[in-house]
Amino acid sequence: KQEVTQIPAALSVPEGENLVLNCSFTDSAIYNLQWFRQDPGKGLTSLLLIQSSQREQTSGRLNASLDKSSGRSTLYIAASQPGDSATYLCAAPRADSGNTPLVFGKGTRLSVIA
Amino acid sequence: NAGVTQTPKFQVLKTGQSMTLQCAQDMNHEYMSWYRQDPGMGLRLIHYSVGAGITDQGEVPNGYNVSRSTTEDFPLRLLSAAPSQTSVYFCASRPAGGDEQFFGPGTRLTVL
Repeated sequence: KQEVTQIPAALSVPEGENLVLNCSFTDSAIYNLQWFRQDPGKGLTSLLLIQSSQREQTSGRLNASLDKSSGRSTLYIAASQPGDSATYLCAAPRADSGNTPLVFGKGTRLSVIA
Repeated sequence: NAGVTQTPKFQVLKTGQSMTLQCAQDMNHEYMSWYRQDPGMGLRLIHYSVGAGITDQGEVPNGYNVSRSTTEDFPLRLLSAAPSQTSVYFCASRPAGGDEQFFGPGTRLTVL
């Protein structure tokens, strides 16, 4: 059974800092891993999707890495801004259902202080 | 494209009432799912569908029914609402040949 854990649960940083959010998963036979952003009271916005054959994906100031052997993924945010304040969720597919549906971590709530 | 749409955005029910949460997508996605999000629990899978006429249970299916008569629509039915079903409900979809999942804006449900 796939389980996804995110550490830390909350993080507060000053504007301009580089930061890393961590995600671990128990079943390394995953097809992919997806990072989402959720603003308060809103839905989920997909940030990055990493395929099992990839080690990294980049979008602007965001870089996500995937290490299947260790069961870990990280989301790196460069030069953080107050607009980055949100909850970040990682999700991996259920091991017994192919590449859908997703099992979610509980998220990391990020606050970037101006 | 409107993407994944959900109605209503907010709903208040009394215990024992029934209702249907609507989910629709206009991207011709085969896979659709329903999740609930509760404080401290994260998102949990309720039901999912891999295509029209095919549905399966997720992690927390009790108290919910689904059907998938068309590719576009995947309604979630609460037959007899309970306070434990107070939550935010999200619908998601994914194309058969892709991996990225897309989420709707959510329905915030309160059961008194």
